[in-house]
Amino acid sequence: QKEVEQDPGPLSVPEGAIVSLNCTYSNSAFQYFMWYRQYSRKGPELLMYTYSSGNKEDGRFTAQVDKSSKYISLFIRDSQPSDSATYLCAMSEDDYKLSFGAGTTVTVRA
Amino acid sequence: DVKVTQSSRYLVKRTGEKVFLECVQDMDHENMFWYRQDPGLGLRLIYFSYDVKMKEKGDIPEGYSVSREKKERFSLILESASTNQTSMYLCASSSGGRDSGGYTFGSGTRLTVV
Repeated sequence: QKEVEQDPGPLSVPEGAIVSLNCTYSNSAFQYFMWYRQYSRKGPELLMYTYSSGNKEDGRFTAQVDKSSKYISLFIRDSQPSDSATYLCAMSEDDYKLSFGAGTTVTVRA
Repeated sequence: DVKVTQSSRYLVKRTGEKVFLECVQDMDHENMFWYRQDPGLGLRLIYFSYDVKMKEKGDIPEGYSVSREKKERFSLILESASTNQTSMYLCASSSGGRDSGGYTFGSGTRLTVV
């Protein structure tokens, strides 16, 4: 069993829809949770960074962490074609070594 | 704007060649990492370093070595390139610790070994 599981998709939604992404994990010691966005042929860029449980909102993006269920989510509201990318979840015990999900490819159709 | 710079975007090398991939960061970060990224396999950690001249093996170090002579520079070396090392290579850096903000990645080097 992988330490971090993420459905690779692909996920295709119409413009304006809510995109819902999630990851599950097995290591209960994880405390730091991140979402990265990666455009084709580019390196990942940090989207959301959270410590421990709870919600965090940044513009159209909301990250949720449920440590009791070992489950994290990313929601993108009012999705745009520019949101088309691969989204990677990542997590860590100590914010040093990260464990990554395999990434979910999202396409937002105009 | 803070940056992690990888020296090459695309490389084509022959089987058996010694290959050097260079990475430089300008954020004075302690920690640097090399990953490879393959379809369906995600990011896999090759080597990382938490200080100058310090290195630790990641999950897939076989066939690779690294060098960190200066804080800002972390090099990945393929001792004798093989076709199964064809991949996207990503360098990252971080300051580590709570509220560090995670990793900053470079743009990647797409290596093809023929």
